[in-house]
Formats: sequence, C-alpha cells, structure tokens
Amino acid sequence: DAGVTQSPTHLIKTRGQQVTLRCSPKSGHDTVSWYQQALGQGPQFIFQYYEEEERQRGNFPDRFSGHQFPNYSSELNVNALLLGDSALYLCASSLAGGEQFFGPGTRLTVL
Amino acid sequence: RKEVEQDPGPFNVPEGATVAFNCTYSNSASQSFFWYRQDCRKEPKLLMSVYSSGNEDGRFTAQLNRASQYISLLIRDSKLSDSATYLCVVNMASGGYNKLIFGAGTRLAVHP
Repeated sequence: DAGVTQSPTHLIKTRGQQVTLRCSPKSGHDTVSWYQQALGQGPQFIFQYYEEEERQRGNFPDRFSGHQFPNYSSELNVNALLLGDSALYLCASSLAGGEQFFGPGTRLTVL
Repeated sequence: RKEVEQDPGPFNVPEGATVAFNCTYSNSASQSFFWYRQDCRKEPKLLMSVYSSGNEDGRFTAQLNRASQYISLLIRDSKLSDSATYLCVVNMASGGYNKLIFGAGTRLAVHP
C-alpha cells in the first residue's frame, strides 16, 4: 500500500515565476492538507481540501491556491514567487478527521 | 505570541540519559495533542498522542496539563537513533475538520 506521494522532490524557480506541486494521498484517504516548512521552523498550515473544496485556510496570501481532483489527489499552486517562498512543502492525507500522514515533501528553492 | 512554543534546543545528551521536552500552547480551544518526530530532511511522523491521564510507549512518556496549557515528552535511556527534531503539535478540530498547529521543534542530539 503506497503512502502519500509528492512530486517533484526538488524544484528551483526564479522570483515572479509560478509553480505547481502535486500530491497523491494514501489509499482510502479523502482529505488533503498542505503545509509550508521554512528552514528551522515547524510546518505551517496552508489549507485543506475535502470533496474537491477548500474548507480551511491558514494565514497565506491568495498567491497560494489549490485544487483537489475527484480521485482525491491535490495540487498546490503558488504564483508570483518570492524569495521567502523557499521551503519544504508537505502534503498530508487523512480520512475525515483522522490521523494525518505526511508525504516526503517537495523542496522549493526560489532564486 | 506563537500558538505553540517549544524550546528550540539543541539538547545534546549522552546515550542512556533521560531528556524532557516542554511545550506550551495558547488556544484553550485546542482539541487534541501530539508529539511528532522529524528526521533531517524527512517528513514529520507521529510519535505519540498526548492525553491528560498521561501515556507511555516504551521509553517515551507524554503528559498534558490542560489547565496550564502545557505538554511534555520524556525520553528515558536515550539511544543514538533518538536523534531528531521533536515537534509539539496541537489539533484545532472544528466541525469534523482538523488543522494541525506545529511548534518550531526541539532538536535532540544523542552522542556515544
């Protein structure tokens, strides 16, 4: 049984560009949450998707948007990248309000 | 004030030592509590849930004090393999939705 998978593993972009990160949840899970982890910090909640809708959002600007597909996979989009967006982006899946399982993350570097 | 605060460490301890981590949270509406472990450049993994009655899993003991909004983790007989960052996590559950709030983590280095 595959766990949570994310792609790509690493990404380098320049300021002003746009990026799309992808997440496939653990089999049987219907909820996907996205987190940003800057170096030396704990993960910060970005938003959560359930039934293809964003149902919770953290303190992130509108440049951060997402989508969930009918197969429960999800994308995180970031527009107009800033240097401060450099971080590890973690996806976590769960079944309803149960335990969240994290993927290995995508490390984004903005130059 | 951060929602979840932890001592960043690092804690440098010899094998066999006992080490304690503390954490405070600011929102009294927090529903559930956890300790996660994160190895270098890896994803966080659930170590254990934390209950008011206290709970133990082998060498690990976690405790919650709701009145003081304080969470602790005790590791006995430290092993080299315990070296990692330990994240204190609060679950802000509401209406069936759950949102995890992480502390910045406490780094532990166990040496021979």
